[in-house]
Amino acid sequence: EDQVTQSPEALRLQEGESSSLNCSYTVSGLRGLFWYRQDPGKGPEFLFTLYSAGEEKEKERLKATLTKKESFLHITAPKPEDSATYLCAVQATQDSSASKIIFGSGTRLSIRP
Amino acid sequence: GAVVSQHPSWVICKSGTSVKIECRSLDFQATTMFWYRQFPKQSLMLMATSNEGSKATYEQGVEKDKFLINHASLTLSTLTVTSAHPEDSSFYICSATTRGETQYFGPGTRLLVL
Repeated sequence: EDQVTQSPEALRLQEGESSSLNCSYTVSGLRGLFWYRQDPGKGPEFLFTLYSAGEEKEKERLKATLTKKESFLHITAPKPEDSATYLCAVQATQDSSASKIIFGSGTRLSIRP
Repeated sequence: GAVVSQHPSWVICKSGTSVKIECRSLDFQATTMFWYRQFPKQSLMLMATSNEGSKATYEQGVEKDKFLINHASLTLSTLTVTSAHPEDSSFYICSATTRGETQYFGPGTRLLVL
């Protein structure tokens, strides 16, 4: 069964303290891995799509990397406005609904000033 | 680009009434739209997948007669919660994609059934 597990469940950092969020996945065949940011009471905001092991993408203080079993979202020198829930999702190649994605439970990130 | 809107953002209704939520892709044509439900401090739960011009595909455990989905055009999908009850109170979020690629999400609709 396809599965996505995110860790830690919650993470509290001091402003400027870099860290990484983990997303482990088990799928029959990976079509794509997605990272989203969700603020309370809002829909998820798209951050990155990764397609193959070794791929990396960056946006401001965020960098996403991908291996065959997991993805990391690295946050460098975070600011309080980076506080949010970060969601990881995977799309399997062999899913009957080609564009369906499976979400992890998310990591709630809190950055203290 | 890739903006998805939802309307309304908030709705309060009495038990037994029906509520319609609209999802629109504003700057692209969405071949597929998805409807999710999210409970507090939980992740998104997929309810159904809809393709333009065809019947929606519902996830296991989701009542198709309760949650009616219509995808009438490449830019509009609607979710109607029929005969709503307090247990239907939740945060409903739609997403849209083109050619099965990245899903772009709407801002969500919070439903409260009294």
